[in-house]
Amino acid sequence: AQSVTQLGSHVSVSEGALVLLRCNYSSSVPPYLFWYVQYPNQGLQLLLKYTSAATLVKGINGFEAEFKKSETSFHLTKPSAHMSDAAEYFCAVSSGGSYIPTFGRGTSLIVHP
Amino acid sequence: IAGITQAPTSQILAAGRRMTLRCTQDMRHNAMYWYRQDLGLGLRLIHYSNTAGTTGKGEVPDGYSVSRANTDDFPLTLASAVPSQTSVYFCASSPGSSYNEQFFGPGTRLTVL
Repeated sequence: AQSVTQLGSHVSVSEGALVLLRCNYSSSVPPYLFWYVQYPNQGLQLLLKYTSAATLVKGINGFEAEFKKSETSFHLTKPSAHMSDAAEYFCAVSSGGSYIPTFGRGTSLIVHP
Repeated sequence: IAGITQAPTSQILAAGRRMTLRCTQDMRHNAMYWYRQDLGLGLRLIHYSNTAGTTGKGEVPDGYSVSRANTDDFPLTLASAVPSQTSVYFCASSPGSSYNEQFFGPGTRLTVL
């Protein structure tokens, strides 16, 4: 069984501030982990993914995430927020040969000028 | 390269009417999925297919049916629409392994009155 918890349905930051979006997972076997971004009125698109290579994964638009097995976490960070980062962010996990991922409920990132 | 296309973009439908949402991908992906997205509930899987000719039920399949006659197309049918099916519907595809990300269409916004 696999599950994902995203802490905080909304995160608000000022432009230029650090972005931290939290994701914790549960999986009985080694997981594959994904972060997706959804801009208003669009579908989801992949930001980055962890597939058991480097634990620090770099994605598009300056985002990165670190896989921490001991903490069962895959938090998403960006050093300096831009207004254009305002969007909905989803964490997802798949494991055990399943091609059906489990998604978190999403975190809405709000960026203030 | 179009990726995944969905039609229509939006639709207003009277309750009790039959409606088919169309989804086509040109990436030759084995797996395809239908999700609905509702405020506060994130993405919920309706139906999926891991290859042409086979389909499976997701988390919220009631009131929906799908078919997978070929690799490219995965239509979703509402046999008799009800207001609770008002939602944004996303089609997605994937090569079909747990380490592969999903590719999402732009969505169909459906309102059932």
